[in-house]
Amino acid sequence: DGGITQSPKYLFRKEGQNVTLSCEQNLNHDAMYWYRQDPGQGLRLIYYSQIVNDFQKGDIAEGYSVSREKKESFPLTVTSAQKNPTAFYLCASSSGGSDTQYFGPGTRLTVL
Amino acid sequence: AQSVAQPEDQVNVAEGNPLTVKCTYSVSGNPYLFWYVQYPNRGLQFLLKYITGDNLVKGSYGFEAEFNKSQTSFHLKKPSALVSDSALYFCAVTGWSSASKIIFGSGTRLSIRP
Repeated sequence: DGGITQSPKYLFRKEGQNVTLSCEQNLNHDAMYWYRQDPGQGLRLIYYSQIVNDFQKGDIAEGYSVSREKKESFPLTVTSAQKNPTAFYLCASSSGGSDTQYFGPGTRLTVL
Repeated sequence: AQSVAQPEDQVNVAEGNPLTVKCTYSVSGNPYLFWYVQYPNRGLQFLLKYITGDNLVKGSYGFEAEFNKSQTSFHLKKPSALVSDSALYFCAVTGWSSASKIIFGSGTRLSIRP
């Protein structure tokens, strides 16, 4: 899992609540990414950031928001607008562009 | 547009036998290709990558992958499987441009029986 930490490992949310997932890296990477993984499926890109104070929507950004105020941190907020948020969320970082991405251990979010 | 396909949802191999996990890709220009492994409830771990040069790439845990440009494939191989190799394997591809995003395959579950 390298130098990327995600917290919490497990998160439970009631319907209608916003929750924020933490992602921190100490690899001095410029780029950071958020993916969603559903059972038996691959990874889908939610948001990515190639530099501080800038980020772009991925393939499934609706119902999610991010910020990138510091190079080390890229928190993801799952809002009440996300209709089916129960999933495994993975954060990754890289030096940028086509470079290898390194992943955190993941956060499993369950909506009650 | 970039794409990557892993045609097998599951691969079953006996311990000690060679294993192959298949991956084919489509990308404009020269590809950057990756293999990752995921154990249950964990993040993805990087195994190996191909950028340029030798078509046979060696990676972690005794895995290797062969780049075949004419067949647009990047199959993952290991000469002798271990039970501990049982996991979910992802192939990924991106282009040379700094604006390219990495695209992941749907994953192949590798099961090694004792």
